Amino acid sequence: QKEVEQNSGPLSVPEGAIASLNCTYSDRGSQSFFWYRQYSGKSPELIMSIYSNGDKEDGRFTAQLNKASQYVSLLIRDSQPSDSATYLCAVNQGIGSARQLTFGSGTQLTVLP
Amino acid sequence: NAGVTQTPKFQVLKTGQSMTLQCAQDMNHNSMYWYRQDPGMGLRLIYYSASEGTTDKGEVPNGYNVSRLNKREFSLRLESAAPSQTSVYFCASRATGPSYGYTFGSGTRLTVV
Repeated sequence: QKEVEQNSGPLSVPEGAIASLNCTYSDRGSQSFFWYRQYSGKSPELIMSIYSNGDKEDGRFTAQLNKASQYVSLLIRDSQPSDSATYLCAVNQGIGSARQLTFGSGTQLTVLP
Repeated sequence: NAGVTQTPKFQVLKTGQSMTLQCAQDMNHNSMYWYRQDPGMGLRLIYYSASEGTTDKGEVPNGYNVSRLNKREFSLRLESAAPSQTSVYFCASRATGPSYGYTFGSGTRLTVV
């Protein structure tokens, strides 16, 4: 079973703090990784993608990848109440045309004003 | 640019009824996907289509059928709805290549009574 595991949360942080979201995956052959944000009652929205070991920064968001440890994380700096949502980790699995994303169950984040 | 369009947005069915969920994308993507999302279980893949004319089973295909009508459209059919199929259904598409994430439709909230 190829799995993607996330801390189920919920995670609460005060406004302005750093929120840290973690994800582990079981398929060592996975090559690309994605973070989606999903507001209640809405569809998932892609916010970050990462393919190489190390950090990738985009505004207040930083994705971190460690393929040796099979670990992906998302840091949200200067957290805002508008960041309150469920964050889904997704891992690209499969080969060629059979490639598909496997999702974790999500971490619910609440940013407290 | 509409992206991925799903219809209907809401539906209530009686046990044993059938229905088809429609999905269309205007981004010229080759691959299309149907997921269901249940509380605490994340997004689970039902069926996918890597290209026009091909379809493959995902993690939870039982009770569903799909049709890739053309490059734009990918429909999901419930032949005999069951209460266990009460869920939120998302259609998604993606461009070819491992570095691309999904673009999701707005979802269909289905209740089977």
